[in-house]
Amino acid sequence: EVQLVESGGGLVQPGGSLRLSCVASEFTFSDYWMTWVRQAPGKGLEWVATLNQDGSGTFYLDSVKGPFTISRDNAKNSLYLQMHSLRAEDTAVYYCARTPRYGVGAFDIWGQGTMVTVSS
Amino acid sequence: EIVMTQSPATLSVSPGERATLSCRASQSIGTNLAWYQQKPGRAPRLLIYGASTRATGVPVRFSGSGSGTEFTLTISSLQSEDFAVYSCQQYNNWPPYTFGQGTKLAI
Repeated sequence: EVQLVESGGGLVQPGGSLRLSCVASEFTFSDYWMTWVRQAPGKGLEWVATLNQDGSGTFYLDSVKGPFTISRDNAKNSLYLQMHSLRAEDTAVYYCARTPRYGVGAFDIWGQGTMVTVSS
Repeated sequence: EIVMTQSPATLSVSPGERATLSCRASQSIGTNLAWYQQKPGRAPRLLIYGASTRATGVPVRFSGSGSGTEFTLTISSLQSEDFAVYSCQQYNNWPPYTFGQGTKLAI
């Protein structure tokens, strides 16, 4: 079964850091762009970051540009989101999503999500 | 940034009825629009892409239409499993990709 599984969420204090991971299975990971999307409690979906197949091209939501870094390891079928300087507003469920080449298309496969809570 | 606006915020319908959900883009996006279904505590599921193409495994009672700035998701005969939140997303002009705030389909 084509699948994405996230991990790495948790409770972190404001200003802290966290690294999220997303492992892909049953598809050729290196053929696809990948994306992180988040959803704050009770709110809608918000795009966070996208990167291309080899990780050389990255795109970010303006509010996370700088503190967040999206990356991938195609040999490990893994996507990452390194988050620094976390704020309460970053509290959300973070989903990874498979993205068509060149980013023009819908996100067709989603992971189950991992919860990030930023609180003292 | 393209703003996506969905209406209504909540739609109360009964099983067997037809539901029509709307999504408006702040500028033309052609047919570069997707619809997602999300149930409580679950990840979004892609229903429709290209404004009108059903994703793999999506029942035929789901249909999408529209182009430019006005889009519609129609569920022809509601089943109990269809009660969820539906969100539209544009992928025409990005970054950023933008989503609507969602329409909750309630009994």
